[in-house]
Amino acid sequence: RKEVEQDPGPFNVPEGATVAFNCTYSNSASQSFFWYRQDCRKEPKLLMSVYSSGNEDGRFTAQLNRASQYISLLIRDSKLSDSATYLCVVNKGYGGATNKLIFGTGTLLAVQP
Amino acid sequence: GAGVSQSPRYKVTKRGQDVALRCDPISGHVSLYWYRQALGQGPEFLTYFNYEAQQDKSGLPNDRFSAERPEGSISTLTIQRTEQRDSAMYRCASSSGGLAGQETQYFGPGTRLLVL
Repeated sequence: RKEVEQDPGPFNVPEGATVAFNCTYSNSASQSFFWYRQDCRKEPKLLMSVYSSGNEDGRFTAQLNRASQYISLLIRDSKLSDSATYLCVVNKGYGGATNKLIFGTGTLLAVQP
Repeated sequence: GAGVSQSPRYKVTKRGQDVALRCDPISGHVSLYWYRQALGQGPEFLTYFNYEAQQDKSGLPNDRFSAERPEGSISTLTIQRTEQRDSAMYRCASSSGGLAGQETQYFGPGTRLLVL
């Protein structure tokens, strides 16, 4: 079983739609969680960190459920510019133990006009 | 300011040759990471440094792979006796070295390695 699992998609949605991505992780010792975005032929970039209390940044909302080892990303009012691969990322360590990021395979989102 | 830079951007080599991939992190960044990314996959951790110290090399696939960061700035990932299965995008990232585990890693454009 992979340490971080995501549905690879693709998700094809019309502009204005709401889309949700899910991710599960296997290591209960994981401490930090992120969503990264990667555009075609570009490097990954941090989209947002994910906290247990849930966090929102404009049209993007991230949630973490530690008990279920489950992470989600919700995108509201999708824009054409949201088309990209969304990578679920887990860091096992905290407090200097390690900065080893474990990436999921990514979920491809294609927003259609 | 300048982001993470990597060189060369593309490298084609013959099987059995050694290659050296260079990463120049964001100025002042303490931590530096190497990842490998295959098509259609997320980046796969290889190794990371705090300053010049290699903190974790658990992701290096075998002893043909090595990395160094002798002065705590530029890093080199070396692959000896390359094999076709080594073909991939090699990405470097750096971070400020603040609150470990929470800091943002900034990725470079990558080096596309093709082993013939």
